[in-house]
Amino acid sequence: EAGVTQFPSHSVIEKGQTVTLRCDPISGHDNLYWYRRVMGKEIKFLLHFVKESKQDESGMPNNRFLAERTGGTYSTLKVQPAELEDSGVYFCASSQVGGARETQYFGPGTRLLVL
Amino acid sequence: AQSVTQLDSQVPVFEEAPVELRCNYSSSVSVYLFWYVQYPNQGLQLLLKYLSGSTLVKGINGFEAEFNKSQTSFHLRKPSVHISDTAEYFCAVSRTSYNTNAGKSTFGDGTTLTVKP
Repeated sequence: EAGVTQFPSHSVIEKGQTVTLRCDPISGHDNLYWYRRVMGKEIKFLLHFVKESKQDESGMPNNRFLAERTGGTYSTLKVQPAELEDSGVYFCASSQVGGARETQYFGPGTRLLVL
Repeated sequence: AQSVTQLDSQVPVFEEAPVELRCNYSSSVSVYLFWYVQYPNQGLQLLLKYLSGSTLVKGINGFEAEFNKSQTSFHLRKPSVHISDTAEYFCAVSRTSYNTNAGKSTFGDGTTLTVKP
């Protein structure tokens, strides 16, 4: 069974440009989470989808970030326009069942560098 | 709100030595506790989790952790490490909830374990 995949693995863009990150969860996993790790610090929660609905987006830093999950399968996270402080590693995770007790399966992350 | 403090950012040890990676948390509500490992160029992988019951939790790869409610700690231990244990380790907490729509975790900064021959 394929794990969580993320594309691209790395992205280098200039300030002001747009970048779209993609996450493909494990097949059949309704719950999809986005996290971000900035400057080697803690991994911070961004948002949680249940199927195509945003269940919790309390961690989204500002309106330059837009997450979608059309059809309840893969998800995209768009940053527009990108700023220097957006640099970091963006992780996606999925779980079959939602809830705090459930194991989340993480992808390898997308390393974003904004110059 | 919850917070997690991993007390050591770097832990170097020799092969076959014991290791303890320390994790303290702060929360005004009950939490579940997790340890994840991230090997180079891979995603985070769950090592173990504490949900309830016995405070000593055994995980994969010979790791175990002990939940200490009075100390608000969840330290990770392994009696004898291997070179292959070299990785970054993350402690995380989630607010206890049976609500299937809840699931976000709060992570620490990570601890890099380097096992030397």
